[in-house]
Amino acid sequence: QVQLVQSGAELKKPGASVKVSCRASGYIFTDYYIHWVRQARGQGLEWVGWIYPERGDTYYAEKFRGRVTMTRDTSITTAYMELSGLTSDDTAVYYCARGSWSSGYWGQGTLVTVSS
Amino acid sequence: DIVLTQSPGTLSLSPGERATLSCRASQSIRGISLAWYQQKPGQAPRLLIYGASSRATGIPDRFSGSGSGTDFTLTISRLEPEDFAVYSCQQYDSSPPTFGQGTKVEIK
Repeated sequence: QVQLVQSGAELKKPGASVKVSCRASGYIFTDYYIHWVRQARGQGLEWVGWIYPERGDTYYAEKFRGRVTMTRDTSITTAYMELSGLTSDDTAVYYCARGSWSSGYWGQGTLVTVSS
Repeated sequence: DIVLTQSPGTLSLSPGERATLSCRASQSIRGISLAWYQQKPGQAPRLLIYGASSRATGIPDRFSGSGSGTDFTLTISRLEPEDFAVYSCQQYDSSPPTFGQGTKVEIK
């Protein structure tokens, strides 16, 4: 069965970077986009960007360009999202989700807390 | 970007009642690429409806979606205790994909 398993919670200081991983299993990793979506406490869902694992192509939401980098390691079927220049506004749960959206596969979420 | 506006913000209902949730888009969504999710505290979103009206695998038939263009509706025919949660709509027709701010369905 399809599974997306994310790395554990992170506590970072303002200005630092965080790298969250998403390990995929149960399907051909290179056949589907991986999207990253975040959700601040009590807020709605916000799309961050996608990576297409076969070629490593990426596309980021305008808000995050310059601060986010998405990569993948096909040998271990894992996608990564790195966000730099963290501020308290980046405190949120970060999810990976498999494209297509109609399949409904999401990771369990990774809480990133930014605090001094 | 397509803005999705959900209403109402909160819906207070009793088990067994019918829930009607609205999602309005700032521009027409082609190809009915509209999804609905259910989310409970501490959990990832759970896909209920895709393509505006198709139920995802394992979703009970008390959940139904309808609509086209700019107006979409999620209906829960008879609320079960496990249905009290936050519901969000999403469009994936145009980039960037966007989400509504959510409707909370709470027990009256």
